[in-house]
Amino acid sequence: SHDLTQSPSVSVSPGQTASITCSGDKLGDQSAFWYQQRPGQSPVLVMYQDTTRPSGIPERFSGSNSGNTATLTIRGAQAMDEADYYCQAWDSGAVVFGGGTKLTVL
Amino acid sequence: QLQLQESGPGLVKSSETLSLTCAVSGGPISSSRHQWGWIRQPPGKGLEWIGTLYYGVTTYSRSSLKSRVTISVDTSKNQFSLRLSSVTAADTAVYYCASEMGYSSRTWFDPWGQGLLVTVSS
Repeated sequence: SHDLTQSPSVSVSPGQTASITCSGDKLGDQSAFWYQQRPGQSPVLVMYQDTTRPSGIPERFSGSNSGNTATLTIRGAQAMDEADYYCQAWDSGAVVFGGGTKLTVL
Repeated sequence: QLQLQESGPGLVKSSETLSLTCAVSGGPISSSRHQWGWIRQPPGKGLEWIGTLYYGVTTYSRSSLKSRVTISVDTSKNQFSLRLSSVTAADTAVYYCASEMGYSSRTWFDPWGQGLLVTVSS
């Protein structure tokens, strides 16, 4: 199977830095994308082509992708950042999503 | 600002065909900047790509669903549709439509519709 692996959960204190990782074979050779899904809402794109923030996404969100791991970093995490985060890439002609990481800010 | 809205029955009987429509507003569905995709999310689980219609002609879909998926576009109504045949309980999910952007194998989904829960009953 073509999998992207994410840790099920990450916790961070308000104001601290959260790192959410996504692992896949040679993921760094592709582009990685990230979505935020708050409870009961649709996913929202927060990072595309590894490091680019869409308009309206706060500067505290940043991304990187190298080797087998893509990382979404949230600096100065806020309560409003508490959500599920999904990575996405392509593999063998198909879109694949990671299993998601639940970010808790407490 | 592009907006998408799913519609269709919330309950489908097992072995029948699920049919959903996604209305697009804020831009023409014929725009080459956007391709049109469907993603689903089973209750309490993660996101699962169903398929995407490219340039109104070619559908790429998840290999496990390929034989059951049809995606089509109606430019006169500025909407696109999903048909998933022979459904089972495993097809119960929130179904999202989305615009796929980018190029080659570097594409992403933005924006997404609000989602529609479809339950398959026996």
